[in-house]
Amino acid sequence: QKEVEQDPGPLSVPEGAIVSLNCTYSNSAFQYFMWYRQYSRKGPELLMYTYSSGNKEDGRFTAQVDKSSKYISLFIRDSQPSDSATYLCAPYNNAGNMLTFGGGTRLMVKP
Amino acid sequence: DVKVTQSSRYLVKRTGEKVFLECVQDMDHENMFWYRQDPGLGLRLIYFSYDVKMKEKGDIPEGYSVSREKKERFSLILESASTNQTSMYLCASTPALGGRNTIYFGEGSWLTVV
Repeated sequence: QKEVEQDPGPLSVPEGAIVSLNCTYSNSAFQYFMWYRQYSRKGPELLMYTYSSGNKEDGRFTAQVDKSSKYISLFIRDSQPSDSATYLCAPYNNAGNMLTFGGGTRLMVKP
Repeated sequence: DVKVTQSSRYLVKRTGEKVFLECVQDMDHENMFWYRQDPGLGLRLIYFSYDVKMKEKGDIPEGYSVSREKKERFSLILESASTNQTSMYLCASTPALGGRNTIYFGEGSWLTVV
């Protein structure tokens, strides 16, 4: 079993839709949960992160962590074509030093 | 803005060739990384360096080596390229290791080994 799993997609939605991107993990020691966004032919860039369980909102984006079920979600409200990208979840454990990346979910927002 | 520059974006090399991938960061970061990214497998860490001349193996170091002679520059070396090393390679840097420290990525180097 991979340590971090994401559905690779592609997930195709119409412009304006609410998008839910999900990630599961197996290591209960993970404490920080990052979301990176990667446009085609570019490197990933940090979108947002949360610490421990709960929600964090940043504009149209909301990150949600449920540590009891080891489930991470990223919600995008009013999705735009410019949101079309691959979204990588990357949980982190302070006991180690490295991020563990999921395989990413490719999102396509159609105008 | 932090900039991580990978000098070669697209390369085609022959099996058995020695390949150098160069990476430079301009923010005086201590830590630099090399990942490869393959469909369905995500990002996998090859090597990282936490200081000049220091290196640590990542998850998939076999067939690779690295060099960090200057703080700003981290090179990935494929001693004898093989077709299974065809991939996208990402260099990254961060000021400190730790949960809240952003990792900054370069734009990637697409390597095809024929």
